[in-house]
Amino acid sequence: EVQLVESGGGLVKPGGSLRLSCAASGFTFSSYSMNWVRQAPGKGLEWVSSISSSSSYIYYADSVKGRFTISRDNAKNSLYLQMNSLRAEDTAVYYCARVISLDAFDIWGQGTMVTVSS
Amino acid sequence: QSALTQPASVSGSPGQSITISCTGTSSDVGGYNYVSWYQQHPGKAPKLMIYEVSNRPSGVPDRFSGSKSGNTASLTISGLQAEDEADYYCSSYTSSSTPYVFGTGTKVTVL
Repeated sequence: EVQLVESGGGLVKPGGSLRLSCAASGFTFSSYSMNWVRQAPGKGLEWVSSISSSSSYIYYADSVKGRFTISRDNAKNSLYLQMNSLRAEDTAVYYCARVISLDAFDIWGQGTMVTVSS
Repeated sequence: QSALTQPASVSGSPGQSITISCTGTSSDVGGYNYVSWYQQHPGKAPKLMIYEVSNRPSGVPDRFSGSKSGNTASLTISGLQAEDEADYYCSSYTSSSTPYVFGTGTKVTVL
């Protein structure tokens, strides 16, 4: 079964750090670009970051640039998001998602909740 | 990169057809045939319903169809069913420094 499972969410104070992980199974992870997408409580979807299959191309939303770092380990079938200098507005459910074609996020994890609060 | 514009809500009775619009610019929706649509039920992860403007992934009912004209893409749900009640988001590839942008989201209510 094709599956993505996120972990690492939790409660963190403003200015703190957190590292999210996404474990992939059921497909050849190293062949696909991967993304992080977040959704603040009661709000819409926001694309956060993208990494190509070999990590050659990395992109960030302006709202997280300089604070978040995306990475992957193809040997471990895992995607990561290192989040530093966290702010209240980073509070959201964070989803990892596989990309097919140039536009389609076809497989999504169940999401992991990140709460930034003092 | 600003979010793509969708109506906040659309409603219809069972069996009717509804259309959700998604308006962008020539740098995203209008510039590429890379528009996708997602369905999200409360507390669940989004589900891909349409990609590359009008293609349906395996398992998505053919009641769901997509199209595009200029800078506006559309998702049509024909023969509306109770289980179609959900939030719907569009997304597009963009030529900006950030490759993807989502729409503002539309809540579909089945009356």
